[in-house]
Amino acid sequence: KQEVTQIPAALSVPEGENLVLNCSFTDSAIYNLQWFRQDPGKGLTSLLLIQSSQREQTSGRLNASLDKSSGRSTLYIAASQPGDSATYLCAVGYGNKLVFGAGTILRVKS
Amino acid sequence: DTAVSQTPKYLVTQMGNDKSIKCEQNLGHDTMYWYKQDSKKFLKIMFSYNNKELIINETVPNRFSPKSPDKAHLNLHINSLELGDSAVYFCASSQQGRGPLRETQYFGPGTRLLVL
Repeated sequence: KQEVTQIPAALSVPEGENLVLNCSFTDSAIYNLQWFRQDPGKGLTSLLLIQSSQREQTSGRLNASLDKSSGRSTLYIAASQPGDSATYLCAVGYGNKLVFGAGTILRVKS
Repeated sequence: DTAVSQTPKYLVTQMGNDKSIKCEQNLGHDTMYWYKQDSKKFLKIMFSYNNKELIINETVPNRFSPKSPDKAHLNLHINSLELGDSAVYFCASSQQGRGPLRETQYFGPGTRLLVL
């Protein structure tokens, strides 16, 4: 069964801290992995997309890594800001569909 | 210039009613999706269409019927609504073709459905 797990479920940090969100998946036969951000009452915004042949992707203060063999991905957020507060979702691409984790709720305190 | 839009944003209805949710994308994408996000916040794929053709149908009760009049629209009709249908329904689109996923997906704002 293809399952995606995100740890921690919730995280609260002071502004300025660097932080890491974790995602693990049970089936390593993936095509890609995406990280999304979801703000309360809103849709999802794609942050980073890593193809299965890639090891990492970077966008601004965000860096996502992928280790297919161990079934893990991490999202690193540098110098966190209150505006980063949201739910972060990891989604793994299997065939022609995405399987989502339950998300990590991040709160950055000013 | 909304990329993926859904209507209505909120929907409150009684059990047994029939309702529809509409989705439109102006990104020129070929593939559209419907997802359900339940109370535990898990997002699960329900359907996907590529150029008006059904590609994915994930063990969804046949009370749910998607309809794609053209590749820019994917509507979701739900018959005989049940309490368990209460959830947030998200529409998404991508440039993705019929093959394995390579492209990112763009999501609408969601429709919050409450069945009483």
